[in-house]
Amino acid sequence: QQQVKQSPQSLIVQKGGISIINCAYENTAFDYFPWYQQFPGKGPALLIAIRPDVSEKKEGRFTISFNKSAKQFSLHIMDSQPGDSATYFCAASKWTGNQFYFGTGTSLTVIP
Amino acid sequence: GAVVSQHPSRVICKSGTSVKIECRSLDFQATTMFWYRQFPKQSLMLMATSNEGSKATYEQGVEKDKFLINHASLTLSTLTVTSAHPEDSSFYICSARDGRFYNEQFFGPGTRLTVL
Repeated sequence: QQQVKQSPQSLIVQKGGISIINCAYENTAFDYFPWYQQFPGKGPALLIAIRPDVSEKKEGRFTISFNKSAKQFSLHIMDSQPGDSATYFCAASKWTGNQFYFGTGTSLTVIP
Repeated sequence: GAVVSQHPSRVICKSGTSVKIECRSLDFQATTMFWYRQFPKQSLMLMATSNEGSKATYEQGVEKDKFLINHASLTLSTLTVTSAHPEDSSFYICSARDGRFYNEQFFGPGTRLTVL
């Protein structure tokens, strides 16, 4: 069973536009939700993360929105740039746990 | 801070040989390290979790005799793919947990293994 579902699988956005990637999780015990950015041939890099005590977290152009009742969280990339073109993974875990459950990834392409 | 390195970044080997991949935490002590496998355009699949000084915990379906993991120190974990076969060709990524940041995992750059 897929613990974390991610959509869309791929996304094409115009430069300057807003990119939105959504994730939904099953386990209500999850309380840590990071987003990772991965470029081809590289390992994932932590982008931003949120815990359920807040509904939104913003770092620069990246914002996580979190809806605990719906068990959903999303990544918003404002003013998207070609350099943002990468694959984005959401993940969920227990703060005290070991295992991260990753979404299936979203390939983002920002066209100039 | 929180930098994780992997070596080698790319390796090509013949079928039947063994390959060792190193994962190092460069500026922190990692009590727990994780090994993932990633196929092209797919998500990360956790293979095993290793804690310093103890045996690794393997995920269901991962052959522990084929994928040997050693976490000998707080800054080094190794994954040895024994008797590699073409189906073992993949992108292997390690991550490490920095106790200062509790649950956050920091990923290495990955190792591309190609078995001929």
